[in-house]
Amino acid sequence: KAGVTQTPRYLIKTRGQQVTLSCSPISGHRSVSWYQQTPGQGLQFLFEYFSETQRNKGNFPGRFSGRQFSNSRSEMNVSTLELGDSALYLCASSLAVWGHRNEQFFGPGTRLTVL
Amino acid sequence: DQQVKQNSPSLSVQEGRISILNCDYTNSMFDYFLWYKKYPAEGPTFLISISSIKDKNEDGRFTVFLNKSAKHLSLHIVPSQPGDSAVYFCAASEANAGGTSYGKLTFGQGTILTVHP
Repeated sequence: KAGVTQTPRYLIKTRGQQVTLSCSPISGHRSVSWYQQTPGQGLQFLFEYFSETQRNKGNFPGRFSGRQFSNSRSEMNVSTLELGDSALYLCASSLAVWGHRNEQFFGPGTRLTVL
Repeated sequence: DQQVKQNSPSLSVQEGRISILNCDYTNSMFDYFLWYKKYPAEGPTFLISISSIKDKNEDGRFTVFLNKSAKHLSLHIVPSQPGDSAVYFCAASEANAGGTSYGKLTFGQGTILTVHP
């Protein structure tokens, strides 16, 4: 079974631009979560989507948004990019089985550099 | 407010010996705990997990212990191998009343494990 895939793997943008990152979860996984990793803040939760609905949200500004499609694939968007948005963006998927603790499996990440 | 803490930034161990990585948490609502291994510029790889109804879980060379009263968990790797050298993250999540874990993980800052041949 294929793992979580993320595209693109690397991205360079300039301040003020916007960017869209894509994530395809493991087949059958219904929940997709997004995380940002930076040297200073570590791994921080952005948001989680389940059945095309945002189920949880972290403490990030409204410039960060996401969505999930009916096939569970997800995208996240960052508008008006700032230098501090440079980070590794990670997507994780889980089965989200009701009544169970569900492990999250991560993709390889998208390295975003904002110049 | 760091709810999950890994107080040791690094750990150095000889091949064949035991590696013990520690993690403390403050949020009593955390119900499910996971350990991940990560290499630079890659996504974390799931290793092992434990729910709050257990105090120990084993999977091959990896064992996780949970002490709920102390809000402390640890990962034991026995025997340690050079290929285990990586950054190890502890993560925690809450669960709803039905026992379903939420898709929001709170991570510690990581511990760099180096296993010397």
